[in-house]
Amino acid sequence: EPEVTQTPSHQVTQMGQEVILRCVPISNHLYFYWYRQILGQKVEFLVSFYNNEISEKSEIFDDQFSVERPDGSNFTLKIRSTKLEDSAMYFCASVHRDTGELFFGEGSRLTVL
Amino acid sequence: QKEVEQNSGPLSVPEGAIASLNCTYSDRGSQSFFWYRQYSGKSPELIMFIYSNGDKEDGRFTAQLNKASQYVSLLIRDSQPSDSATYLCAVLSGGSYIPTFGRGTSLIVHP
Repeated sequence: EPEVTQTPSHQVTQMGQEVILRCVPISNHLYFYWYRQILGQKVEFLVSFYNNEISEKSEIFDDQFSVERPDGSNFTLKIRSTKLEDSAMYFCASVHRDTGELFFGEGSRLTVL
Repeated sequence: QKEVEQNSGPLSVPEGAIASLNCTYSDRGSQSFFWYRQYSGKSPELIMFIYSNGDKEDGRFTAQLNKASQYVSLLIRDSQPSDSATYLCAVLSGGSYIPTFGRGTSLIVHP
């Protein structure tokens, strides 16, 4: 069964450093997403990506964040200058075109020290 | 602002009982409703989705939707300790591909 894969599973970084989180969505899905979940809190939408461009973004997705699909398969989330409050689990997801069901990757846990 | 509200719990039920999880939403234009299960430290996984008013059953799980009351629920029959997890309600508005998640309800099934 196809699945969304994410790397790394866990990254520890120093405040102010750049981080890139990578995702390979399910190939025949059309919309891709990044969600964030701070420990103990709700799953929060960051950004959606369709047809190789951002289709919608939340107020959380400010100038320090960017997304790319550099090679037609990988889907990356870059955080330019990490802050302590960026520590969270970051989930990549893609949506089934017919049902609207989100398929989540296993997540990348980011710890900013 | 689209809101999805869930009681954070924890909801504690004995093994074999029925667990009832509730969710309300603010956007009357919402059309698709999803229940995800999330184990601690893991990603959400879909249990059920429902589009139409009424009940939808899948094994031990039943989703119930009442659009007039803007209310969706999940019933888990014959609850097992392995059902202990956080259950997330997600709502998709018409024309949108961005589900909004509730905070989740923590369920504890004790032997």
